[in-house]
Amino acid sequence: DIVMTQSPDSLAMSLGERATINCKSSQSVLYTSNNKDYLAWYQQKPGQPPQLLIYWASTRKTGVPDRFIGSGSGTDFTLTINDLQAEDVAVYYCQQGYSAPLTFGGGTRVEIK
Amino acid sequence: EVQLLESGGGLVKPGGSMTLSCRTSGFTFTQAWMSWVRQAPGKGLQYLGRIKSNSDGGTAEYAGPVQGRFSISRDESQDTLFLHMNRVKTDDTGIYYCVYGYIFFSAWGQGTLVTVSS
Repeated sequence: DIVMTQSPDSLAMSLGERATINCKSSQSVLYTSNNKDYLAWYQQKPGQPPQLLIYWASTRKTGVPDRFIGSGSGTDFTLTINDLQAEDVAVYYCQQGYSAPLTFGGGTRVEIK
Repeated sequence: EVQLLESGGGLVKPGGSMTLSCRTSGFTFTQAWMSWVRQAPGKGLQYLGRIKSNSDGGTAEYAGPVQGRFSISRDESQDTLFLHMNRVKTDDTGIYYCVYGYIFFSAWGQGTLVTVSS
């Protein structure tokens, strides 16, 4: 199984600051035949189901604000939240879709300082 | 708009069985590849398994912790997805989400709570 490791476990930032979340996979999730990274990011707000934010490592789902930026390739990925807003308080998960069983990172809790 | 509505959760004894249902709407279920994901209380997300559409073979695959105990099926005449849970353990307690997607999970239901306890 591919192990997804997120860091940090939590972070507290002030409104308007930039939050950076890291995700590392135990093996590459880059499918060379189509040059796509099978990596997604989800946001889970308190009491709600997760929502897909980004897929193919850097493609925002329709309607996701452009302050959410996914980057990285291979085994190392980053979710950057620019201009942090109060509504961004949530737990964020990365997930690999490269091989079964699909696996998630442990989550990163983002809070406002 | 994609809508997924889970039902069937509740209290079940260890070793018992339970079937969860997911009624879908807002997309062509007969073409959709679907998944189940769960979340233990206060914990992260755990993928359980996924199923292809019947037109693509209807095959299902499962994560290790539920392989041989859980099975996924679908009724395309009712646009409904199922999760059949057998020989449940206390570790199976959690919120179970029906999910639209096979590689990435683009839409989630609100979830149904399953509590395994004697």
